[in-house]
Amino acid sequence: GENVEQHPSTLSVQEGDSAVIKCTYSDSASNYFPWYKQELGKRPQLIIDIRSNVGEKKDQRIAVTLNKTAKHFSLHITETQPEDSAVYFCAASRGGGSYIPTFGRGTSLIVHP
Amino acid sequence: EAQVTQNPRYLITVTGKKLTVTCSQNMNHEYMSWYRQDPGLGLRQIYYSMNVEVTDKGDVPEGYKVSRKEKRNFPLILESPSPNQTSLYFCASRPGPRDEQFFGPGTRLTVL
Repeated sequence: GENVEQHPSTLSVQEGDSAVIKCTYSDSASNYFPWYKQELGKRPQLIIDIRSNVGEKKDQRIAVTLNKTAKHFSLHITETQPEDSAVYFCAASRGGGSYIPTFGRGTSLIVHP
Repeated sequence: EAQVTQNPRYLITVTGKKLTVTCSQNMNHEYMSWYRQDPGLGLRQIYYSMNVEVTDKGDVPEGYKVSRKEKRNFPLILESPSPNQTSLYFCASRPGPRDEQFFGPGTRLTVL
């Protein structure tokens, strides 16, 4: 089955700095890669996703890059703000009817004012 | 308001006492899933359903049962809970296999 590794497990940055979270996956058939943000005590919510037919996607201060050859994808947050503090999860899945996403173990991002 | 609801939100129970956590969505989504979240382990899928009466095991199905008799409801059943099932549980739904998942608010379960 799919295996998703996520690094780092904890990331501490100063407000205004950039943050990068990296994930690798094992199944070359995976073609959908969402990122979820979970604030303390709340449910995970999708912040951005990328499909395997594109290499990069941006949405304001966040971007995701995908390297299918190397089987890794990354989340980039620029100009971090204290409200970006949360746990971020990457996931990978193949298409088709079953679509069982495999999640990374999460990265706790702390943005210091 | 489009949403996924779960009940109860918090539950403390004892080993062996059967319990059910309900999940309901009002978005007419085909796909529904149950996850458990444990510190350092991320989100692990317990069971999922692709439609009414169609369910399948996820990564950690042992000790759990589900049913999908109606499109909107997907209850999680613990026939004989054990302390290792103490966890935070999330229900989620999505329209199709590669669509955004909408998570419920979570159920924090403690089994003594």
